Formats: sequence, structure tokens, C-alpha cells
Amino acid sequence: DQQVKQNSPSLSVQEGRISILNCDYTNSMFDYFLWYKKYPAEGPTFLISISSIKDKNEDGRFTVFLNKSAKHLSLHIVPSQPGDSAVYFCAAYSGGGADGLTFGKGTHLIIQP
Amino acid sequence: NAGVMQNPRHLVRRRGQEARLRCSPVKGHSHVYWYRQLPEEGLKFMVYLQKENIIDESGMPKERFSAEFPKEGPSILRIQQVVRGDSAAYFCASSPDRNSYGYTFGSGTRLTVV
Repeated sequence: DQQVKQNSPSLSVQEGRISILNCDYTNSMFDYFLWYKKYPAEGPTFLISISSIKDKNEDGRFTVFLNKSAKHLSLHIVPSQPGDSAVYFCAAYSGGGADGLTFGKGTHLIIQP
Repeated sequence: NAGVMQNPRHLVRRRGQEARLRCSPVKGHSHVYWYRQLPEEGLKFMVYLQKENIIDESGMPKERFSAEFPKEGPSILRIQQVVRGDSAAYFCASSPDRNSYGYTFGSGTRLTVV
């Protein structure tokens, strides 16, 4: 049972445009959400997070939106740059559950010049 | 200012052998997490350790897998009698405390069982 779902395995966006990566979750106990970025042969790098008490968090070109009623979050990158090409993982944490994060399968973002 | 160091980067083992994966956390971090990524999958939580203690091993397979984080030295993930299905990338992460979820990951150890 996949509790965190990223339904788009890949996404292609033109440089300078907005990239929107989506993530859905099923466990209503999740109360903290994170996005990680991963280049090939490297470990994931933390990008941005959001607590369930908020609906938006912004950090430079990256904004995460959380819609608790829909159990949906999205990562917006604007403007998209070539260095943003990577695999993006959505992850979630439940304060009352296991200590680890639950990850989605990832979305491969490709920024086209 | 070294990050999380994992070694070896690549490890090849024959079926039935033992695999030992090492993780040195960021200096000053006393919380270590191990994750496994199978091909085409996301990362799956395995175990969370603090110095000398296993806090949560709910993601660890019940047999053949063990982890430790001694008072001195790196954290070790040990897989006994490896099978082909153990082939995966194993990532270690560390954090300064339990509530820092945006923790730092190492570059991983890619285990191939032949």
C-alpha cells in the first residue's frame, strides 16, 4: 500500500517556465511533508518542507502548497533552470508513527533549454 | 565540513556472503537513519538509531539484517547471507536531533548481489 503517491514518473518543462510537481497521500496522520531533490549517483538533498498547520511555504524559487482536505501537495519551481533537472521525491512524516519518512517513487523533472 | 560519508560506494557480493555498509554521520549529529531504494522505487525507511541505541527498526526485515551505531565509530548496516533481492541502493542520513526531518543524506552504497 503506497501511502505517498507521485503519479507522474517524469515531467518536461521549458527553461524559464513554472514546474509543478504533484504528490498525493492517503494517511491522514501525516503532519509534516518534505520535498527532496536527487541527482544520479548522489543522495537526496532536502529542498523545502511544510507543516500540516500551514498551507504554503516559500523559499526562493521553490514554493510548496498543501491542501489537507484533498490530501494533496505540490512543489512549484519558478523560473525553472537547467540545474533543476533531477528526480524529486515527496516525503511525509507522522508524529505518531514510525520515525522514518515515507517517500513517494519520485518524479523525474527535465528542464528543456 | 564533511557531510554524511558512506562507504563503500559500490559493493558486490555473491549470494550467501555478508555485506557491511558503513555510515559516518555529519560531525555532531547523533541520530542516524538507514533507507533502502530498490530500482524504480522510492526510498523505504529501515531503521533509526541514536548512539548505542536502536530507536525504531520497524522497517527492517526480520531476518538477516541488523544495524548498530556504537559509541565510537560509524553506524553499520549488516546483511547476512545476501540474496539477489537485497540488491539496492542503501542510503544513510543523519540529523542533530529527533525532530529535524530535513536530514542530510549520504551518497549511498550500491549493493549488487551476483
